Amino acid sequence: RKEVEQDPGPFNVPEGATVAFNCTYSNSASQSFFWYRQDCRKEPKLLMSVYSSGNEDGRFTAQLNRASQYISLLIRDSKLSDSATYLCAVNSENQGGKLIFGQGTELSVKP
Amino acid sequence: DTEVTQTPKHLVMGMTNKKSLKCEQHMGHRAMYWYKQKAKKPPELMFVYSYEKLSINESVPSRFSPECPNSSLLNLHLHALQPEDSALYLCASSQVASYTEAFFGQGTRLTVV
Repeated sequence: RKEVEQDPGPFNVPEGATVAFNCTYSNSASQSFFWYRQDCRKEPKLLMSVYSSGNEDGRFTAQLNRASQYISLLIRDSKLSDSATYLCAVNSENQGGKLIFGQGTELSVKP
Repeated sequence: DTEVTQTPKHLVMGMTNKKSLKCEQHMGHRAMYWYKQKAKKPPELMFVYSYEKLSINESVPSRFSPECPNSSLLNLHLHALQPEDSALYLCASSQVASYTEAFFGQGTRLTVV
């Protein structure tokens, strides 16, 4: 079983739609959780850190469910510019700082 | 804009060449990382430096040799690479090597011929 798993998609949605991605992790000692966005042939860019209480940044909401060991990302009112690959990443202190990525979920927002 | 700078952006090298990738950050971060990313795959961790000491080597072949000359710089020395080593090589840094967000450079796109 992979340490961090995501549905690779692609998710094809119309502009204005709400889309949600989930990411599961296997290491119960994981302590830090992140969502990154990666455009084609570019580097991953930090989108959000995910806190236990959940956090929101504009149209983006991230949540953490420790009991079920998953994190989620909700994008409301999708824009064409949201088209990208979304990578979840998990960091466990007991692994000395290894930031482990899921395989990424491809999102395509259509007009 | 990224505050992690990588050079060169593109590199083509033969299998007998020796080359180096360079990474620099001025955010005062004490952890730096090398990742390798193939097309349609997530970044795969290669090395972690924490306070300028190598703390993690993910069983990377010895033809890849990392070096951390100081807290702002990270190099990756390449020697006798294979065509399958062609990939995007990403450098990242974070405040410390746990908990904190990592920020990536733009990467070096390496082609081995």
